[in-house]
Amino acid sequence: KAGVTQTPRYLIKTRGQQVTLSCSPISGHRSVSWYQQTPGQGLQFLFEYFSETQRNKGNFPGRFSGRQFSNSRSEMNVSTLELGDSALYLCASSWGQDTGELFFGEGSRLTVL
Amino acid sequence: GDSVTQMEGPVTLSEEAFLTINCTYTATGYPSLFWYVQYPGEGLQLLLKATKADDKGSNKGFEATYRKETTSFHLEKGSVQVSDSAVYFCALRGNNRLAFGKGNQVVVIP
Repeated sequence: KAGVTQTPRYLIKTRGQQVTLSCSPISGHRSVSWYQQTPGQGLQFLFEYFSETQRNKGNFPGRFSGRQFSNSRSEMNVSTLELGDSALYLCASSWGQDTGELFFGEGSRLTVL
Repeated sequence: GDSVTQMEGPVTLSEEAFLTINCTYTATGYPSLFWYVQYPGEGLQLLLKATKADDKGSNKGFEATYRKETTSFHLEKGSVQVSDSAVYFCALRGNNRLAFGKGNQVVVIP
């Protein structure tokens, strides 16, 4: 079956712009998590959604937001982009809540100029 | 809060050498522990897991044992191949999220 699909794979933005990233989970998976990966900080947890409800949120400013739709697809948005937001954004899905067995997409690489 | 610490720095070794990557954790309760692997240009893949003390997770020749007394979950492989070159992440699932270590890049030289 198809894996986790993230779009777009690569994008370049300038400071002050906003960006929306999309994630389609594996069919049947109802939980979606987002992570930011950078060389300096490693993998930082952004949010987790289950059945359209945000269950957990990491320590990121309010410029970072997300949502999950009824078909389990998820989007995350970053407003007023800063240079430091340049990173690989990874989405992961799982069949249920409270599991560490996540299936990751290949990520969306965001470059902020 | 829950956290995972991995040994510093990349690991470079020759093919067929023994690999160890250290991982220790801090958590309340009894977390589940995981190793994930990230090959170049790809997302993370679950390599192995252990859900309770003394459990041994294993996959593709890799092993790790959940040691509650030393709060450790070290990854080992007896004979690495060039195809094992990747970044390896230790992780724990506590009460409300999956927390990752910073990862170790492993480079296997032919």
